[in-house]
Amino acid sequence: DIHMTQSPSSLSASVGDRVTITCRASQNIISYLNWYQQKPGKAPKLLIYAASSLQSGVPSRFSGSRSGTDFTLTISSLQPEDFATYYCQQSHSSWTFGQGTRVEVK
Amino acid sequence: EVQLVQSGAEVKKPGESLKISCKGSGYTFSTYWIAWVRQMPGKGLEWMGVIYPDDSETRYSPSFQGQVTISADKSISTAYLQWSSLKASDTAIHYCARGLTTDPYYFDFWGPGTLVTVSS
Repeated sequence: DIHMTQSPSSLSASVGDRVTITCRASQNIISYLNWYQQKPGKAPKLLIYAASSLQSGVPSRFSGSRSGTDFTLTISSLQPEDFATYYCQQSHSSWTFGQGTRVEVK
Repeated sequence: EVQLVQSGAEVKKPGESLKISCKGSGYTFSTYWIAWVRQMPGKGLEWMGVIYPDDSETRYSPSFQGQVTISADKSISTAYLQWSSLKASDTAIHYCARGLTTDPYYFDFWGPGTLVTVSS
């Protein structure tokens, strides 16, 4: 099974901050890495797919990148509506989610 | 417009059986995966399994193999998740999601979730 390790588990940030969340795969998943945003009481929403492709309708302040088995989600300037929990997901071999990163108000 | 409509919240006792549903519309239901994802109270997302409604091919996460059954009826664009004997640890929100059958296999539309509460 492929294991996904996400860090940090939570972070505190202010509006306008640059936020970075990292996800490491336990083996090579090429670029089969997706990012989701979940707000309290809501279903997850797809943000980024294939490591760096922005899903239609998602603001351009969200971006993703890959370096080997390490993947990064970056929010360039945090907005009030971005306080949420973010999950990575590998889709190379079945599917596995990371444990999530909660982005909280500082 | 793609939509996944899930059945309503359930309250069950340990040992009881349950089948919840997910009805797709706005797209060709039989040619996308339907995935089931569990979220226990205050916890993260766990992939349970998927079904391809066109031929009912099913894949389960090792963690859920033998614990649940996933099925689908493509004639009514509906997928199901069922338990034969519920446990308190099955208490969770269960989401269905549409999955691409081609590279890169992400889940692009999600249902609102079905809360299952198992308590004596």
